[in-house]
Amino acid sequence: TQLLEQSPQFLSIQEGENLTVYCNSSSVFSSLQWYRQEPGEGPVLLVTVVTGGEVKKLKRLTFQFGDARKDSSLHITAAQPGDTGLYLCAARDTGRRALTFGSGTRLQVQP
Amino acid sequence: ETGVTQTPRHLVMGMTNKKSLKCEQHLGHNAMYWYKQSAKKPLELMFVYNFKEQTENNSVPSRFSPECPNSSHLFLHLHTLQPEDSALYLCASSVTETTSTDTQYFGPGTRLTVL
Repeated sequence: TQLLEQSPQFLSIQEGENLTVYCNSSSVFSSLQWYRQEPGEGPVLLVTVVTGGEVKKLKRLTFQFGDARKDSSLHITAAQPGDTGLYLCAARDTGRRALTFGSGTRLQVQP
Repeated sequence: ETGVTQTPRHLVMGMTNKKSLKCEQHLGHNAMYWYKQSAKKPLELMFVYNFKEQTENNSVPSRFSPECPNSSHLFLHLHTLQPEDSALYLCASSVTETTSTDTQYFGPGTRLTVL
């Protein structure tokens, strides 16, 4: 079973700052997804990446998939209080259909 | 609103009680999932159903018993639970289980407390 390690576990920043969170594993993934979960809600998909080296942008969020498809990063530019939440990476390795989730990065953006 | 609803949203039960969690999806999906989210562990997959057939049981104790009467409904029957089973139980659905890039849509979860 693959292990997805996310860092940092907690991040508290001021509005307007930039940040990057990471998702790492020793396994190769067929695809990787990033979700955001707000208090009292379930996770909501932000993006899916499938190709090594792929970069996707969603407004102020930039997602990158590592060349070897073992890691990913999420960069947020000019963070806003609405970005507050738990960010989860999730992946399928090449032999399984079910998703494995990372432990998450809890982000708090102070106004 | 993701199209996946869960009831109840909160549940407190004793270790000898029997209760059921309900999940309903209005998206026309064929795959449904139960996950457990606790404070100390990553989101854990419990069960997967694809076209009403169970395709994955992730070594879940028998005190958790899933039921999928049709592609739109999923239940989790609970009996003789332990305090360590207290967690947020999330239901999700997707078009199918077999596509690696398929999006899973999550419900808001049931916050379960076992006394």
